[in-house]
Amino acid sequence: NAGVTQTPKFQVLKTGQSMTLQCAQDMNHEYMSWYRQDPGMGLRLIHYSVGAGITDQGEVPNGYNVSRSTTEDFPLRLLSAAPSQTSVYFCASSMDGSSTDTQYFGPGTRLTVL
Amino acid sequence: AQSVTQLGSHVSVSEGALVLLRCNYSSSVPPYLFWYVQYPNQGLQLLLKYTSAATLVKGINGFEAEFKKSETSFHLTKPSAHMSDAAEYFCAVSDQNNAGNMLTFGGGTRLMVKP
Repeated sequence: NAGVTQTPKFQVLKTGQSMTLQCAQDMNHEYMSWYRQDPGMGLRLIHYSVGAGITDQGEVPNGYNVSRSTTEDFPLRLLSAAPSQTSVYFCASSMDGSSTDTQYFGPGTRLTVL
Repeated sequence: AQSVTQLGSHVSVSEGALVLLRCNYSSSVPPYLFWYVQYPNQGLQLLLKYTSAATLVKGINGFEAEFKKSETSFHLTKPSAHMSDAAEYFCAVSDQNNAGNMLTFGGGTRLMVKP
């Protein structure tokens, strides 16, 4: 098993550009989520999905879109990048999304918006 | 709303010394609590979790944590630090009201181990 994979590892964008961060898991997990990590603030939830075709907003969803067409993939789209979106982005998955379920994290994407 | 406070953004210990990383939470319902570790340039991995069974939870790499409801705490300890323990540690909480497995994280504590 590769676990949770993310591409790209690094990305530099100009303000106003759009891009998609890719996330895939091969563990047949129902629950997937996106977090951003900023210094001193821990990780904050952007969007999550409890299964294919179902997504919902987390704590900081503005400026981001998601979709879940398959169980395996959960891409995160930045519609019009802003410097405030400079961050490290982590994708995570868990088996069924129950409150005690262990989440498995990808290696992260470091995004810089100029 | 839930929240997690980690006292001390940086903790430095000598190799062989006790490691104590502090975590306090607030939750309106009985919480589930997690400690994750992040090594440099990697994602997070689970150290241990409390799910309302035993209050003393043992995890990987010799770490353990004790849930104390009266103190709303879930501090992480290890009797003897190794150089390989140098990393950032995150405490997180979820609860029974979660629509999904939504974790609220603390700000993190960077552990440095001196030789």
